[in-house]
This record gives sequence, structure tokens and C-alpha cells, in this order.
Amino acid sequence: LAKTTQPISMDSYEGQEVNITCSHNNIATNDYITWYQQFPSQGPRFIIQGYKTKVTNEVASLFIPADRKSSTLSLPRVSLSDTAVYYCLVGKGKGYSTLTFGKGTMLLVSP
Amino acid sequence: NAGVMQNPRHLVRRRGQEARLRCSPMKGHSHVYWYRQLPEEGLKFMVYLQKENIIDESGMPKERFSAEFPKEGPSILRIQQVVRGDSAAYFCASSPVSPGEVYEQYFGPGTRLTVT
Repeated sequence: LAKTTQPISMDSYEGQEVNITCSHNNIATNDYITWYQQFPSQGPRFIIQGYKTKVTNEVASLFIPADRKSSTLSLPRVSLSDTAVYYCLVGKGKGYSTLTFGKGTMLLVSP
Repeated sequence: NAGVMQNPRHLVRRRGQEARLRCSPMKGHSHVYWYRQLPEEGLKFMVYLQKENIIDESGMPKERFSAEFPKEGPSILRIQQVVRGDSAAYFCASSPVSPGEVYEQYFGPGTRLTVT
């Protein structure tokens, strides 16, 4: 399984755009990149998944460069409720697979 | 459509007792995963089950831990003779039979086990 490296913590203010970068140098050809969000005392929640280039949904964008050795989760105009831990995962994107979580990035959004 | 249900939400056991954690997957999901999260750590995979089958138990401790997902009823994670080191949050996740274009797991709220 490809190992991921992401910042331990980040701080931001309401209304700002937040970009969290994840490194995955040994990503395999058939690996997908997935981000989960976890609030305190809750289970993780799927945010977005991508394979290459850019993926956008109603909550976030995911940017993946051509070499796929890193990816950036972009959260537009964060609010206080976006304070959470964000996990970057790399692995099999289709079919059934267990998930490997690192320690994630603790994002703190202040007023 | 109700989400993944776990109960109890909080469980306190004395050392040496047994802990039983239950998980009901989302309707239509037949794949269940169990994860453990220690304080200040990420989630660690324990076991992956389908109805009446254990598919992958590579993350399960060799002793005292067992899991099942019977044909009827919830999935059960059982910890025998609990020790203080078993204190953690245990999360269950489920996924559908046909994941479609994007594969994701749906997580329950977790059971927080405290061993005293």
C-alpha cells in the first residue's frame, strides 16, 4: 500500500480557501486517491476521490498532477464547521478494498 | 435510508470481561469493515466481512478478538478478556455490492470502549 504524508495541522480563517497537500511518492498505477473527513466523536465521511487531473464536487476539489506523486484537496471558503481531521488515502479505487488511514491533517478554522 | 448503526455508543468494561460491539450496515450493503482508532491516531483496519464470510482479517489481533456477520442480524465484534490497551473507538463501515464509479465506505458513529 502506498504511504501518504500530509501536514499534521493547518490553521485558517472563515471564508478562506484551504489547500491540503498529500504526498504519495510510491502510488501504484491502479491506485486512486481518496479524501475523508472526520469530526470529533464521529466516523469518517467520504469527501472526494480522483485518479488524475482535477475532480470537483459540491464540497471540494481535488488536484492531481501528471506524475500523481502528490494531490491537493481544496476547500473553498471554509467555515467553522469545516474544523475536522482530513485523511488522504491511496489505494484500490474500485471494487472492494480496505482503507489505510494515516494520522491525517487537523484543520482548525477560526472566526 | 438510515446510515450505519452501531451500538452501544459507549461501553465500559472491567479488565477480564467480554465486550460485544454491534454494527448494522446500511440497507442494501453486504460488506462490513471494522476499524479501531486509538487516541490521537488514525483508524486501523481490523477485519472485512461479507455475509457469513470473513474475507480479510489481517488487521485482527491473533488472540481474544473475533468477528462475525451472520446471515441475519448485525455484525458483531467480540473482544474476550479485555485489557486496558483495548480502550479505543471502534468504527464499523459498510459498502454496497456494486460500488459503481466511485468506491466509498460509509462509517457508523463508533463505539467507544473504556476498559477500567
